[in-house]
Amino acid sequence: EVQLVESGGGLVQPGRSLRLSCAASGFTFDDYAMYWVRQAPGKGLEWVSGISWNSGSIDYADSVKGRFTISRDNAKNSLYLRMNSLRAEDTALYYCAKADCSLTSCYIDYWGQGTLVTVSS
Amino acid sequence: QSALTQPASVSGSPGQSTTISCTGTSSDVGSYSLVSWYQQHPGKAPKLMIYEGSKRPSGVSNRFSGSKSGNTASLTISGLQAEDEADYYCCSYAGSSTWVFGGGTKLTVL
Repeated sequence: EVQLVESGGGLVQPGRSLRLSCAASGFTFDDYAMYWVRQAPGKGLEWVSGISWNSGSIDYADSVKGRFTISRDNAKNSLYLRMNSLRAEDTALYYCAKADCSLTSCYIDYWGQGTLVTVSS
Repeated sequence: QSALTQPASVSGSPGQSTTISCTGTSSDVGSYSLVSWYQQHPGKAPKLMIYEGSKRPSGVSNRFSGSKSGNTASLTISGLQAEDEADYYCCSYAGSSTWVFGGGTKLTVL
């Protein structure tokens, strides 16, 4: 059974940093791309960042580019998101998501339960 | 990276069918067959319902179907059941390894 367990969320002041983690199990972690997707309270889903299986391809939404850094440790079956210069608008539930990608297809097939990040003074 | 456009809400009676649209542009929905649909119940994580525009994952009811025409993708739910009441989100590849979601549609089963 695929399990994705996020941690590291909390209350943080504007301008500060936070690091989210995602522990993966139930699949061969280093075979799959991984994403972070967030959902502001009462709002829709927003793709934040993605990383390929070998960290060779990394991408960000314009809203976080230059402030957030995605990384993974395949030896530890873990995904990370380093968030710097946090803003109030970054307040959201952050989901770790597994992607099933091939040469002609790609989609998110599993999601974690999310970790809540609240940016407020 | 503008969000895809979905109706804020749709409704239907049990047993009826309903369709949720997802309109993008020629840079996302119109260019790729990589539209997926997710169901989200309150307080729960999203669940994959449709991928590659029209394919159903194992375990998803065949009452759910997807299609695409031009820049608009659609999710149709037939034989509505009370358990189908949830928020639904579309998602499309947008090029350059980026993705865009729709704003979400709240389905109410009357």
